[in-house]
Amino acid sequence: GAGVSQSPSNKVTEKGKDVELRCDPISGHTALYWYRQSLGQGLEFLIYFQGNSAPDKSGLPSDRFSAERTGGSVSTLTIQRTQQEDSAVYLCASSPRDGGIRSPLHFGNGTRLTVT
Amino acid sequence: TQLLEQSPQFLSIQEGENLTVYCNSSSVFSSLQWYRQEPGEGPVLLVTVVTGGEVKKLKRLTFQFGDARKDSSLHITAAQPGDTGLYLCAGAGAGGTSYGKLTFGQGTILTVHP
Repeated sequence: GAGVSQSPSNKVTEKGKDVELRCDPISGHTALYWYRQSLGQGLEFLIYFQGNSAPDKSGLPSDRFSAERTGGSVSTLTIQRTQQEDSAVYLCASSPRDGGIRSPLHFGNGTRLTVT
Repeated sequence: TQLLEQSPQFLSIQEGENLTVYCNSSSVFSSLQWYRQEPGEGPVLLVTVVTGGEVKKLKRLTFQFGDARKDSSLHITAAQPGDTGLYLCAGAGAGGTSYGKLTFGQGTILTVHP
């Protein structure tokens, strides 16, 4: 596709349930990032995949959060036993390489997660 | 933890006025990016500044990177209603981290009234 695609665009779930968020990066982009954005706020880094290297998971807020990237393309962010504080917009971004001035990030439109 | 303090958090002005948004940090960044985000969409990159003291212009928008590469500003001349949105600064490469592992400011919500 032309851009980064995320699904679903909106997700409402009950506290304690697991959710999976999907990201389809731009074709050929080797780097993929997940960020979290609270209402009207800046973005918080969660996790980063670069090619076949081990992902940088340093931003994941707890062990309830995990992500995988299959075949170097599609990524899934999983949140187990969701809590109300997990409510946010989850944004995925991809870039041809490791970001940088010649490899800017292209963001999807995000998944708005609401935990009731 | 590298922090980027962005100010002001909210800005409500009339069409035609000028405005400046500031982004400050105690950390040195390899580069600093400015994004604009509209409701329901992801951030879109406006500009990347790399060199200390660098100034870049994008039509009515002027971006400056501080000499020490710790701060940046965005100045909009003669603001228009179409400039309304959330403006975000983001620093990259502090402490040798990945360029894509950006540190974002809290954002400035700009509203330009006709």
